[in-house]
Amino acid sequence: QVTLRESGPALVKPTQTLTLTCTFSGFSLSTSGMCVSWIRQPPGKALEWLARIDWDGDKYYSTSLKTRLTISKDTSKNQVALTMTNMDPVDTATYYCARLPRYNNGWYYFDFWGLGTLVTVSS
Amino acid sequence: EIVLTQSPGTLSLSPGERATLSCRASQSVSSSYLAWYQQKPGQAPRLLIYGASSRATGIPDRFSGSGSGTDFTLTISRLEPEDFAVYYCQQYVSSPQYTFGQGTKLEIK
Repeated sequence: QVTLRESGPALVKPTQTLTLTCTFSGFSLSTSGMCVSWIRQPPGKALEWLARIDWDGDKYYSTSLKTRLTISKDTSKNQVALTMTNMDPVDTATYYCARLPRYNNGWYYFDFWGLGTLVTVSS
Repeated sequence: EIVLTQSPGTLSLSPGERATLSCRASQSVSSSYLAWYQQKPGQAPRLLIYGASSRATGIPDRFSGSGSGTDFTLTISRLEPEDFAVYYCQQYVSSPQYTFGQGTKLEIK
């Protein structure tokens, strides 16, 4: 059974750095073909993809946010972390982690999601 | 950048009716790269359709996806009360990048 769970601070101040952790079970990021992403959703708005990390350590970032994001993994702990620097009130959102399965030799969609964690940016 | 535009923004229907949701891409998208999700209030998105037309595990067969190129459709053949939610389409773009449409809210009439 695949599960993912996000954790991190509920409130951060503007200019601070946010660090979120995704703890998962039911699969391993050391297994060839496994990938995990972070996605966010501002209140009442649409979803926005942020970053992806692959089983082999490759990392990919949203073009619009890549200067602020770092994704990493701890395979021994079944965790993926995301840091986002210079937080702003517009970054207030629910942050999700999600798994990507291999499909037709690529990774095109998200099959399992965590419940999400709401992060509010306010002084 | 390929933009996904979903229509209508809100769809008001009654249980038992047929729902047709549209997702239009600003450039041609491979069918392999198109997925649909359902999101209920306070919940994470749930994968419904991948590869434009393949149902995810456990998804009822009243949900179907179709389309190619720039026009994709999610159809719910007979609406059940639990189907009223927000639906998002999502595409993959090489680099990789992933983008979502703005969503269609399916509400009870």
